[in-house]
Amino acid sequence: NAGVTQTPKFQVLKTGQSMTLQCAQDMNHNSMYWYRQDPGMGLRLIYYSASEGTTDKGEVPNGYNVSRLNKREFSLRLESAAPSQTSVYFCASSEAGQRNYGYTFGSGTRLTVV
Amino acid sequence: AQSVAQPEDQVNVAEGNPLTVKCTYSVSGNPYLFWYVQYPNRGLQFLLKYITGDNLVKGSYGFEAEFNKSQTSFHLKKPSALVSDSALYFCAVNYGNMLTFGGGTRLMVKP
Repeated sequence: NAGVTQTPKFQVLKTGQSMTLQCAQDMNHNSMYWYRQDPGMGLRLIYYSASEGTTDKGEVPNGYNVSRLNKREFSLRLESAAPSQTSVYFCASSEAGQRNYGYTFGSGTRLTVV
Repeated sequence: AQSVAQPEDQVNVAEGNPLTVKCTYSVSGNPYLFWYVQYPNRGLQFLLKYITGDNLVKGSYGFEAEFNKSQTSFHLKKPSALVSDSALYFCAVNYGNMLTFGGGTRLMVKP
């Protein structure tokens, strides 16, 4: 099983450019999440989708938008990239309402904005 | 709101020695606690979790963690460290089906 698949793995953008990070899971999970990882700051939640058709802001949503395309796919869009958005982005999924289960993570997208 | 603290940015240990990576949490109610490991250029991998029951939980790769309710701690331990254990370790608390992560601790095991 692939688990959680993220594309692309690496990306370099110029300030002001836009792009969409793709995420897909094949575990039939209801909930999906987007995190960013920055040195010394751990993982911070950008947006999440508790179930198909719903999305909510996390801790650091500014500058991002998301789309829960279907149960499998959850994309993250940067409309106008800024250097402060240079980070490693992780998508994750989990069973909804199951606190005793952890998350399954993708391998990440390393984004550099110049 | 829940929070997790990992007070050490880095832990250095010699191969064969015991290791401890510290984690404290703050949450109202019963915490569901997790440890994840991240190897270079990889996503986070689940190590172990505490939900209820025995305060000492065992996980993957010989790791274990001790839940201490009075000290609100969930320290990760291993009796004998391996060089291959060198990685970034994250503690997390799940409250309301949302994981909140600590800042991470880099474990360096030297031969």
